Amino acid sequence: TQLLEQSPQFLSIQEGENLTVYCNSSSVFSSLQWYRQEPGEGPVLLVTVVTGGEVKKLKRLTFQFGDARKDSSLHITAAQTGDTGLYLCADPYSGGGADGLTFGKGTHLIIQP
Amino acid sequence: DAGVTQSPTHLIKTRGQHVTLRCSPISGHKSVSWYQQVLGQGPQFIFQYYEKEERGRGNFPDRFSARQFPNYSSELNVNALLLGDSALYLCASSLVGRYGYTFGSGTRLTVV
Repeated sequence: TQLLEQSPQFLSIQEGENLTVYCNSSSVFSSLQWYRQEPGEGPVLLVTVVTGGEVKKLKRLTFQFGDARKDSSLHITAAQTGDTGLYLCADPYSGGGADGLTFGKGTHLIIQP
Repeated sequence: DAGVTQSPTHLIKTRGQHVTLRCSPISGHKSVSWYQQVLGQGPQFIFQYYEKEERGRGNFPDRFSARQFPNYSSELNVNALLLGDSALYLCASSLVGRYGYTFGSGTRLTVV
């Protein structure tokens, strides 16, 4: 089973600042998904990246997939309080033939007004 | 359109009891997966069902079981509850398996 490491574990910044969070693995990802989870809710899919070097943008969020497909980053520009949440990366191939997602432990992001 | 519906939203049980959690997928979705999320951690995969057959199982003891019904709804059963089973239990449905998962808001289980 793929082990996904996310960093930092916690991040608290002021509104308007930029930030980057990371997802790494010792193995190659076939593809990678990023989710955001707010308190009391389930994770919501933000993006799926598939090709090494791929960059996807979702408004102020920029997702990058490493050339070797062993790492990914999420960059938020001009963070807003509504960006607060738990950011999770996930591997859609959990191994062993199962179709479940393998998640990292997540980055807890707090944007202060 | 209704999203993934889970019931109950909150539940308190005593050690040793058993619990049944329920999930209704998005209409048309035939795949349902269950996840356990301990406070402060990412979700952990428990089961996946597709067309009423188990398609995958995570690293959980046999106390955990699940099934999927002809209408594609699903139940997760946990027997002989332990304090460590306290968690948010999430259900996700999908049209095409690995991609496009939609999660419900979860059932918060507290074992005392």
